[in-house]
Amino acid sequence: DAGITQSPRYKITETGRQVTLMCHQTWSHSYMFWYRQDLGHGLRLIYYSAAADITDKGEVPDGYVVSRSKTENFPLTLESATRSQTSVYFCASRQDREAFFGQGTRLTVV
Amino acid sequence: AQKVTQAQTEISVVEKEDVTLDCVYETRDTTYYLFWYKQPPSGELVFLIRRNSFDEQNEISGRYSWNFQKSTSSFNFTITASQVVDSAVYFCALSESGYSTLTFGKGTMLLVSP
Repeated sequence: DAGITQSPRYKITETGRQVTLMCHQTWSHSYMFWYRQDLGHGLRLIYYSAAADITDKGEVPDGYVVSRSKTENFPLTLESATRSQTSVYFCASRQDREAFFGQGTRLTVV
Repeated sequence: AQKVTQAQTEISVVEKEDVTLDCVYETRDTTYYLFWYKQPPSGELVFLIRRNSFDEQNEISGRYSWNFQKSTSSFNFTITASQVVDSAVYFCALSESGYSTLTFGKGTMLLVSP
């Protein structure tokens, strides 16, 4: 199926552990993004990528790492998870003027 | 820097009432794009509309309508004859020309009661 998919949908992890959230798109869109959604803050940009091997920081990048070796994949890694990273994470892709979002990953750090 | 303000945190209406969700934006660009997304209780983000800065025509799609006014930097969204299924969080977003990132407002939660 064409689209953008995130995995896992739900994740519980412990403080200090490394966790990777996956994002895959089937359209070959150039731009991909990671946002986090928190109550009272809306959606905030963590990192984005303009193409394979090109990434840049967004508004709240601290504590996160991204890579993009292939156009279709854009994983987000929390190197040492903290409770403040408990959130809903959305991946998105964009070509021209339309942006498409994945279903979201609900991450809980205990 | 670009900024989107949705001053209404939460709105409650009774079914069949009309409701307007406000969105005010800030940008230094002359070319930009404005968006509305709906997030129902299931959590996904549903695209509703995109408008570019050169198109100030209002748009109507069924019960939904959008009023874009550059003079007041606003892009308001009206739901006519609201229904329970309209209950959701609605986000306004801005994308400046040359950048593909979207800046979101904090969202407005709309609760429509039967």
